[in-house]
Amino acid sequence: GIQVEQSPPDLILQEGANSTLRCNFSDSVNNLQWFHQNPWGQLINLFYIPSGTKQNGRLSATTVATERYSLLYISSSQTTDSGVYFCAGGDRGSTLGRLYFGRGTQLTVWP
Amino acid sequence: EPEVTQTPSHQVTQMGQEVILRCVPISNHLYFYWYRQILGQKVEFLVSFYNNEISEKSEIFDDQFSVERPDGSNFTLKIRSTKLEDSAMYFCASIEGGHNEQFFGPGTRLTVL
Repeated sequence: GIQVEQSPPDLILQEGANSTLRCNFSDSVNNLQWFHQNPWGQLINLFYIPSGTKQNGRLSATTVATERYSLLYISSSQTTDSGVYFCAGGDRGSTLGRLYFGRGTQLTVWP
Repeated sequence: EPEVTQTPSHQVTQMGQEVILRCVPISNHLYFYWYRQILGQKVEFLVSFYNNEISEKSEIFDDQFSVERPDGSNFTLKIRSTKLEDSAMYFCASIEGGHNEQFFGPGTRLTVL
C-alpha cells in the first residue's frame, strides 16, 4: 500500500540552527513534494522533487528514490520557518492522481 | 507568478446549510483536486476532476459533496447539508498536465456551528 511517514513529529530549534526533516515512503510512491503550512494554515509549495537535489535559498531537499526517502534541510533557521512541514507523494501506478500526505513535522523556532 | 486562488478564506455556517467553496486554478492547468484537513490532522484527498468529470474520489466524498467547473476558470466544491464534522480547512490544487507537480491554493477554513 501507499505509505508516507515523516520524522521527527516535533522539532524545536533556536534561531540560527540547522535541521533535517525526513520523509520515508513506500515503493509505490513517486512525485515527492514538500510543503510548509504556515500558522495561518496556508500550504506553501516548497519543492517538487521526485529524485535528486534542489535548493532554494536556505532550504534544500534531496530525494533518493531507490532507497525510498527524502530529506528537507533548513539552514540558519528563522522564526518565520515555524509551522508544519509535510511531504506528500503520488501513487506510481496512477498518473496525475491524488497526493498522499504524511503526518507532518511541527517545527518551532525560538528567537 | 501564477497561483491558485480560493474564496472565501473563512466561511462560518450553521449545521444543515449548503456551502460552496470556490477555487480558481492556474489558467493553463487541466487537472483539479480538492483536499481537506481537519484541525491537527493530516491533509486528506477528497476528489480529482479532469475533462469535466470526476476522475477519482475518496470514501470521504459521499453524496453530500459535489464538484463543478461552471465556466472556464472556476472550480467549486459544494457541501449540500453541512455537518459539524465537515469543519476543516479545504484546499484546492491543480496540475498543468505535462508535469506532475500539484500547486495548492491557500485554503478555505470552514467552520460549521
